[in-house]
Amino acid sequence: GAVVSQHPSRVICKSGTSVKIECRSLDFQATTMFWYRQFPKKSLMLMATSNEGSKATYEQGVEKDKFLINHASLTLSTLTVTSAHPEDSSFYICSAPRLAGGITDTQYFGPGTRLTVL
Amino acid sequence: TQLLEQSPQFLSIQEGENLTVYCNSSSVFSSLQWYRQEPGEGPVLLVTVVTGGEVKKLKRLTFQFGDARKDSSLHITAAQPGDTGLYLCAGDDRGSTLGRLYFGRGTQLTVWP
Repeated sequence: GAVVSQHPSRVICKSGTSVKIECRSLDFQATTMFWYRQFPKKSLMLMATSNEGSKATYEQGVEKDKFLINHASLTLSTLTVTSAHPEDSSFYICSAPRLAGGITDTQYFGPGTRLTVL
Repeated sequence: TQLLEQSPQFLSIQEGENLTVYCNSSSVFSSLQWYRQEPGEGPVLLVTVVTGGEVKKLKRLTFQFGDARKDSSLHITAAQPGDTGLYLCAGDDRGSTLGRLYFGRGTQLTVWP
C-alpha cells in the first residue's frame, strides 16, 4: 500500500541552528502535503499546506519565515525549522492525501519526527 | 473555522469495560475518519465513514456516522490494554484544499489490566 516516510525520525540540535525534515510519498504522487505539529497527548495542529509548484499556505499564527516549506517534487516536501529554539521542540508529522477522484481520498501519515532543541 | 468537538479528552478504564468516544460538529463533512496513534508514531487510519447513518465494525470497534454527517462515535466493547492510545477523529469537507482534514482534540484512552 501507499506509504509516506519522514526523515529523520529523531533529531537533536543546538539552539540557533536550522533543521530540515523530509517527507516523501513512496509510491504515489502528492501535489499537496500537510505539515502538523503535535504536543504530548494532544491532537495534531496543522501548520501549513505544502503545494507542489507554488508557495505553501500557512495557518494563522505560524511564522512562515521560521518554518520554511519547499515542495521540491511530486513526492517530496521539506520543512526547515530555522534558528531553532527550545520552544520549537515538538513532534512534527507530515501527511499526503492520495486523491482517488471520488468521495473517499485516503490520507497517509508519516511516522513523525521528534525534534529536540537544546 | 470548522471545529470538531471530541469528547472525552481523557478516558481511563479497566480491562473489559465498554466505552464511547464522541465527535461532534456544526459543519457537514463529506467523510469522517478515525485514527489511532501510539506515542512516537504517526496516526494510523482505523476507518472512514462516508454515508449518513453508516455503521462500520472493526472487531470490537463500532463506528457510526450521524444521519446529517455532522457527528460520529466510536464504541469499543470489552476494552483491552492493547487499545490504549490516542484516538483522533478528523473530518474532510472536500473544500478548496483537497485532502485537508479537520481534527478533533483527541481522546487519550488508557486501559488498565
